[in-house]
Amino acid sequence: QVQLVESGGGVVQPGRSLRLSCAASGFLFSNYPMHWVRQAPGKGLEWVAVIAHDANREYYADSVKGRFTIARDNFENTLYLEMKSLRVEDTAVYYCGREIFSTSGSYYDYWGQGTLVTVSS
Amino acid sequence: SSELTQDPAVSVALGQTVRITCQGDTLRRYYASWYQQKPGQAPVFVIYGENNRPSGIPDRFSGSSSGNTASLTITGAQAEDEADYYCNSRITSGQHVFGTGTRVTVL
Repeated sequence: QVQLVESGGGVVQPGRSLRLSCAASGFLFSNYPMHWVRQAPGKGLEWVAVIAHDANREYYADSVKGRFTIARDNFENTLYLEMKSLRVEDTAVYYCGREIFSTSGSYYDYWGQGTLVTVSS
Repeated sequence: SSELTQDPAVSVALGQTVRITCQGDTLRRYYASWYQQKPGQAPVFVIYGENNRPSGIPDRFSGSSSGNTASLTITGAQAEDEADYYCNSRITSGQHVFGTGTRVTVL
């Protein structure tokens, strides 16, 4: 069955870096666009970034552009989020999600359970 | 505008019908998808496109859209439907955006 498992979260000081991973299994990873979505404590969902199935396109939310980099390894079936210059406001649970793109629109059909990133001094 | 606006909270009596709306200019071009999130859990998608339900989602959930507004309707709300609901859509830049979220309380 499809599984997405995030890892790499933790406590980090403002200005430092952190890399999140999302290990995918149960499907042909290289066929699907993949996303990162985050949720600050007590807040709503915020879309963060997407990477095309073949990694030739990436898009970012304005709030993370220039600081975060999404990447993927289609041989290792793993999605990454490299986060630099972290801010207190980046504190959130980070989810990875698989996108389905169809004639009926796009949607995220599978999500991981999330990994918590806390940015604090 | 690239925002998607939802009412912060709605309540519905057990067994009654509730409609949640999502407004934004991008919905004139792209379909919305809808997600249910319960406390401490990852989101689960419940509706995509005009009105498509994934397997396992009860048929009391339905979707519709008109102009710049997408709607999620729960017909015959159950206690287990109490949750936060978010819409999502693409925007023309290639980015995606989530709605502000609606908390549904079943009375």
